[in-house]
Amino acid sequence: GAGVSQSPSNKVTEKGKDVELRCDPISGHTALYWYRQSLGQGLEFLIYFQGNSAPDKSGLPSDRFSAERTGGSVSTLTIQRTQQEDSAVYLCASRAGPETETQYFGPGTRLLVL
Amino acid sequence: QKEVEQDPGPLSVPEGAIVSLNCTYSNSAFQYFMWYRQYSRKGPELLMYTYSSGNKEDGRFTAQVDKSSKYISLFIRDSQPSDSATYLCALREADVNYGQNFVFGPGTRLSVLP
Repeated sequence: GAGVSQSPSNKVTEKGKDVELRCDPISGHTALYWYRQSLGQGLEFLIYFQGNSAPDKSGLPSDRFSAERTGGSVSTLTIQRTQQEDSAVYLCASRAGPETETQYFGPGTRLLVL
Repeated sequence: QKEVEQDPGPLSVPEGAIVSLNCTYSNSAFQYFMWYRQYSRKGPELLMYTYSSGNKEDGRFTAQVDKSSKYISLFIRDSQPSDSATYLCALREADVNYGQNFVFGPGTRLSVLP
C-alpha cells in the first residue's frame, strides 16, 4: 500500500512569506507527527495529532507555526512570515495508534527561505 | 546537556567490518528504544525496536540497551555498502499520558567503503 506522502518535495520562498506543507498519512493511521530536521541536528518534534483529541503543540517553536489535521487524515503545517532560520527539512510521520511504536516517515519537504 | 547524545560521525569503515553505533541519554524514564536508518534525501525508517534493557537481534543487526548506564548501541555485522546511511536513535517514556513524544538523537552518518 501507499506510504506517507508529502508535498511539495522542495519549497523555496522569500523571507516574510507564508508557506503550507502537506502530509498524507497512511490510511487508517490515527497518529500523525510533524518534525523538523536541520543539517547536523536530530529530529525536532513539532506537533502530534492522535485521533480526534486536541493536538500536542508543545514542540512548535513560535506562534508563526501552526498545523491542522482535517478529517483525521491529511495534515497541513503552516509557517507564517517565514524566517531564514526556518530553512530545514520538515518530516511527517504516521503511526497506526498509541499502542504501536513504529512511525512511518514521509520523504520530507525541503524548505529554503531566502 | 542534551537529552540524547550521539556521535555525529561521519564514520567510515571497510566492507565486512563490525560497526558499533551508540547513544547516551539522561532521562531514566525512557523505556522504549528504537533505531532508525535514514538514507540520503529520504525519511527515516524503523530498523530495530527494544523495550527496556537487553539485546535484540535481527539478521546482521543487534540492538543493545543498558539502562543502568543509560547507554544504547546498535551493532552491524558484516557491514555492506548498502548500510551507508545516517542512523538515529529514538527514545520514548512509558507514560500513558497523551503526547507520547519521541526524542531523537542527532544521528551518526555511516559510510561503508567497498
